Amino acid sequence: GQNIDQPTEMTATEGAIVQINCTYQTSGFNGLFWYQQHAGEAPTFLSYNVLDGLEEKGRFSSFLSRSKGYSYLLLKELQMKDSASYLCAPIRPGGGNKLTFGTGTQLKVEL
Amino acid sequence: ETGVTQTPRHLVMGMTNKKSLKCEQHLGHNAMYWYKQSAKKPLELMFVYNFKEQTENNSVPSRFSPECPNSSHLFLHLHTLQPEDSALYLCASSQDGTANYGYTFGSGTRLTVV
Repeated sequence: GQNIDQPTEMTATEGAIVQINCTYQTSGFNGLFWYQQHAGEAPTFLSYNVLDGLEEKGRFSSFLSRSKGYSYLLLKELQMKDSASYLCAPIRPGGGNKLTFGTGTQLKVEL
Repeated sequence: ETGVTQTPRHLVMGMTNKKSLKCEQHLGHNAMYWYKQSAKKPLELMFVYNFKEQTENNSVPSRFSPECPNSSHLFLHLHTLQPEDSALYLCASSQDGTANYGYTFGSGTRLTVV
């Protein structure tokens, strides 16, 4: 099955680096997405990993270890606008593949 | 308009009311989804439509009735809801019936049942 674990809340300082971890259990694996969701808004795509390693995209990077069922999202040079919920979403295998979601990590960026 | 549009943004309804949520996507995608997002809970997949055909219903109570007249439009008809149905209802679309290219989400309808 899919048990997706990520921290409920994190707080970090503007300009700093923060790492949001996600662990998942699945009988198969077809990729993992990270989404950002500001309060009252649509979740928006941040990154996609299907192979092990680090994917870098500007201030945001995402890492995947398939053997460990582990991913993290790394945010650098934090800005106040990065305060949002970050959703870890592995693809559920079978049946055409569907996204499943963790509860999300609410990140608060402070001065 | 571009992307995925949901209306209304906010809805308050009584338990005996009937209302409908609307979702429209302008991306040329072939699959559409309804998700429920409750506080401190993961997004819950409710329904999946692929080329207008319902391909998944995750044991959703019959007081929620989806309708997909074409690949661009998706409705969620609501009747005799319960207060615990209060949540953010998100619509999403994808290029095909898989998650391989990710989903594009609408901003959601914040539903309050009183």
